[in-house]
Parts: sequence; structure tokens; C-alpha cells
Amino acid sequence: QQQVKQSPQSLIVQKGGISIINCAYENTAFDYFPWYQQFPGKGPALLIAIRPDVSEKKEGRFTISFNKSAKQFSLHIMDSQPGDSATYFCAASKGGSEKLVFGKGTKLTVNP
Amino acid sequence: EPEVTQTPSHQVTQMGQEVILRCVPISNHLYFYWYRQILGQKVEFLVSFYNNEISEKSEIFDDQFSVERPDGSNFTLKIRSTKLEDSAMYFCASSLDRHSNQPQHFGDGTRLSIL
Repeated sequence: QQQVKQSPQSLIVQKGGISIINCAYENTAFDYFPWYQQFPGKGPALLIAIRPDVSEKKEGRFTISFNKSAKQFSLHIMDSQPGDSATYFCAASKGGSEKLVFGKGTKLTVNP
Repeated sequence: EPEVTQTPSHQVTQMGQEVILRCVPISNHLYFYWYRQILGQKVEFLVSFYNNEISEKSEIFDDQFSVERPDGSNFTLKIRSTKLEDSAMYFCASSLDRHSNQPQHFGDGTRLSIL
């Protein structure tokens, strides 16, 4: 119930392509869904986040799509760049709790 | 941009020894957290701390772990008697508020290696 399942584990995309990472959750009490980006040797950095009252949120080349009925959300990276190569984690938390529940991460490689 | 800073970046300790990991959260933040990431695995919540007391903890955070805010700036995680399985990257995070629309900002972590 507390898990967030993330796929794929790794992803290789050509420069300029679209990267898509998917996450699914069970706990309907989750009401906040952030995506974090992590470069080697660094801590996770918040990329973009969404709440379940909207179905999509876009910030620059990054878009979160949210499907409440399917309990799924995904990150789309448009025009992927080699500098986007990193590990991406989806996460979720529920109101009244500070705990972030993370997915297992997706290692994205964008080839030049 | 304000940052969460953690020291040391790498700590090597003998099994059974005590270790203290240190963090300086962002100065106006009120909520503090510790997470850990075992190599190749997901980031796992350990504990959250507010107003000088633990507000939430996971099942990982057993009696061997403790947290403290000894002064106005530092936030520490102590492992009393380290085990091999405590080897991991430990991340400190802080946030302005507890509500989930206030993002948690992470430090770059301390890599803890237990020998």
C-alpha cells in the first residue's frame, strides 16, 4: 500500500527525443507527487511536482501527466539533452505526513 | 540559492562503533528529515523532526538511531552501534513547512561505509 512502482529501470534516448518514465501507486491517500532528479554524487533535487486535482503540469521541457483513476503518473522530458542524463525518482506523500515514498529510480542516458 | 549541507561526505567506521552524521538545514526551514539510500536501491525515509522532537519515523529507525538539533543550525543523526547493513548514503533534507506543497530540499549526502 505504501509502495510506488517505477518503470523502466533504465532508459536510453537519443538527443532531441522524448523520455517517458512511469509510476504507479496504490494508496489513494497520496496527494502530492514530486519528481526528483539525481546526478552522481549529489542529492535528489526537486524537478517538478503535481497534486491530484490537475491532470497535467508543464515546466519548460518537463511535463507530469497524472491519471487519478488509474493511480498512475508519468514524467515526460521533451527534446531530451545529454545534460538530462541522471537518475529520476518519482515519489508520493499524503496529507499530514512528511514522509516521501520513493520509487526505485530510472537511470536516463541521453546519447548525443 | 540556499543549500542543505552535510558533513562528512564520506565516513568509514568499524562495525559496532558509534557514528554521527551532521547536517546544516536551510536557515529558515522548520522541518528536518533523514533518508537513506542503500547502493542501487531507492531512497528510504528514516525520520522527520520538528520543534525539537521526532514527528514521524519509519520501522528502519530503531533504538540504534537517534536525532538531535544541538544548536540553532545543526541537525544530527547518530547510529549508536553500527552494523554492516547500515552502509548506505544518508541524505538530510529540510522544508519550510510540513504541508506537502512545501518541497523538501536534499543535501548531497554522507556515504557511510561500515567495515
